[in-house]
Amino acid sequence: NAGVTQTPKFQVLKTGQSMTLQCAQDMNHEYMSWYRQDPGMGLRLIHYSVGAGITDQGEVPNGYNVSRSTTEDFPLRLLSAAPSQTSVYFCASSYSYRSYNSPLHFGNGTRLTVT
Amino acid sequence: AQRVTQPEKLLSVFKGAPVELKCNYSYSGSPELFWYVQYSRQRLQLLLRHISRESIKGFTADLNKGETSFHLKKPFAQEEDSAMYYCALSGSWGSQGNLIFGKGTKLSVKP
Repeated sequence: NAGVTQTPKFQVLKTGQSMTLQCAQDMNHEYMSWYRQDPGMGLRLIHYSVGAGITDQGEVPNGYNVSRSTTEDFPLRLLSAAPSQTSVYFCASSYSYRSYNSPLHFGNGTRLTVT
Repeated sequence: AQRVTQPEKLLSVFKGAPVELKCNYSYSGSPELFWYVQYSRQRLQLLLRHISRESIKGFTADLNKGETSFHLKKPFAQEEDSAMYYCALSGSWGSQGNLIFGKGTKLSVKP
């Protein structure tokens, strides 16, 4: 099992550019999510999904879109990148939406810089 | 509002000394609390959860509802414990969608 795979590992964008951060898991997990980690801020939830075709907003959803067409994949789209989106992005998945049933499995992160 | 506070950004101890990483939370209902850890060059991973009442790698954490705390403790720190530690709260019926993380404490264990 590869677990949770994020690509790319690093990315530099110019303001206004768009891109998609990829996240895939091979554990048949029901729940997937995206977090951003900023210095001194901890991890903040951007969007999450409790199954294919179902997504919802987290704490900081503005500027990001997601979709979940398959159980395995949960891409995060930045439609028009802004310097405020410079951050480290983590994808995480778990077997169940219920936290007491299963822990979150994290990817290695994508370090995004917007200039 | 749901909130997790880790008051120490950095905690430095010597090998063999006791360690306590503090975590306080704010939540009006019955919380679920977790400790996640990120070792150097590794992924963030679950260390322990209060509902399991377990000891992992010598670490324990007790939920104190009166003091709204979930401090992580280990009686004798080891160098391999050096890592970033995050306390997390699930405040909505055990939902991952409402898992809130603290800002983290970096533990440094010196030889």
